[in-house]
Amino acid sequence: DVKVTQSSRYLVKRTGEKVFLECVQDMDHENMFWYRQDPGLGLRLIYFSYDVKMKEKGDIPEGYSVSREKKERFSLILESASTNQTSMYLCASSLGGFAYNEQFFGPGTRLTVL
Amino acid sequence: DAKTTQPTSMDCAEGRAANLPCNHSTISGNEYVYWYRQIHSQGPQYIIHGLKNNETNEMASLIITEDRKSSTLILPHATLRDTAVYYCIPTSGTYKYIFGTGTRLKVLA
Repeated sequence: DVKVTQSSRYLVKRTGEKVFLECVQDMDHENMFWYRQDPGLGLRLIYFSYDVKMKEKGDIPEGYSVSREKKERFSLILESASTNQTSMYLCASSLGGFAYNEQFFGPGTRLTVL
Repeated sequence: DAKTTQPTSMDCAEGRAANLPCNHSTISGNEYVYWYRQIHSQGPQYIIHGLKNNETNEMASLIITEDRKSSTLILPHATLRDTAVYYCIPTSGTYKYIFGTGTRLKVLA
């Protein structure tokens, strides 16, 4: 079974803190994604990566950065957390080579910024 | 990317077929239709996808109309574990999924 794990299920941080959200997949997938999910807005893509050290902006990259130093790990970084970044963050991965390959999601991290 | 219209919510009796419709009248020729579901407190889970032919797997069947403007996801024998939000997602394979608000399916005992 494909497994995508995220470092925390729940996280509480203060405004201005630097926040790291970690995602690890164990299926040797080339593509990895970070989404945020908010009520009434659905899931929105923040960043994705199609290879180690490669990244592409999604629909809402402002206030976020990412890092992919190893194939299995994709980190989302909030340089200076703000209250409007309180959200559910979901990581996903998929095989490369065919853009229609299905995405496998992790359980999510619910981040609260106070 | 095509816009989608799905019912906000639906109920289905346990053991009966659940038919979830999706309208995607602006779909373009290279867009597949993907279906995912999200059970409470979990990440979305892939169910099935298709381009123009009907598809079936161990989880569900997907019926796409000939003009491709709409599709129906069928769960043949719904169980309580199928209670979830179901998303219909046309995608051109640009790594971008547009998740709308989906259909909240409640399976009733």
